[in-house]
Amino acid sequence: EAGVTQFPSHSVIEKGQTVTLRCDPISGHDNLYWYRRVMGKEIKFLLHFVKESKQDESGMPNNRFLAERTGGTYSTLKVQPAELEDSGVYFCASSPWTGEQFFGPGTRLTVL
Amino acid sequence: DQQVKQNSPSLSVQEGRISILNCDYTNSMFDYFLWYKKYPAEGPTFLISISSIKDKNEDGRFTVFLNKSAKHLSLHIVPSQPGDSAVYFCAASAQGGSEKLVFGKGTKLTVNP
Repeated sequence: EAGVTQFPSHSVIEKGQTVTLRCDPISGHDNLYWYRRVMGKEIKFLLHFVKESKQDESGMPNNRFLAERTGGTYSTLKVQPAELEDSGVYFCASSPWTGEQFFGPGTRLTVL
Repeated sequence: DQQVKQNSPSLSVQEGRISILNCDYTNSMFDYFLWYKKYPAEGPTFLISISSIKDKNEDGRFTVFLNKSAKHLSLHIVPSQPGDSAVYFCAASAQGGSEKLVFGKGTKLTVNP
């Protein structure tokens, strides 16, 4: 069974540009989560989808971040416009109804 | 305000000995706890979990202990192997694990041959 996949693995952009990250969860997992780890700090929650609905977006830092999960399958996280402090590793995770969350390899975003 | 705390940034043990990683939490609503292992440039890998209705869960060399009254959990690895060297994250969730995970800062474990 394929795990959670994320694309791209790395992205380097300049301040003010737009970047879109993609996450493909494990097939059949209704729950999809986005997390971020900045500068070696703890991994922090961004938002949670149940199927195509946003269940909890309390961790989204500001309105420059937009997440979508059309059709309840893959999800995208767009940052527009990107700022220096957005640099970090963005992780996606998926899970069945309850229990452990399975993480993807992450997308390392560098904003110059 | 950190709700999940791992107060030891690093731990070094000899191969074959026991590794004990500790985690404290403050939010009484947490009822599901997980340990993840992370290698550089990879995502966290699930290791073991425990529900608040239990005080111990075991899976091979890994055992997690939960002390609800102290709001403390620990991960024991016996015997430790060099391949166990990684960063270990403690995480907690409410609602039986269906909600977001709140992570500690991690403990870097080094197992020396």
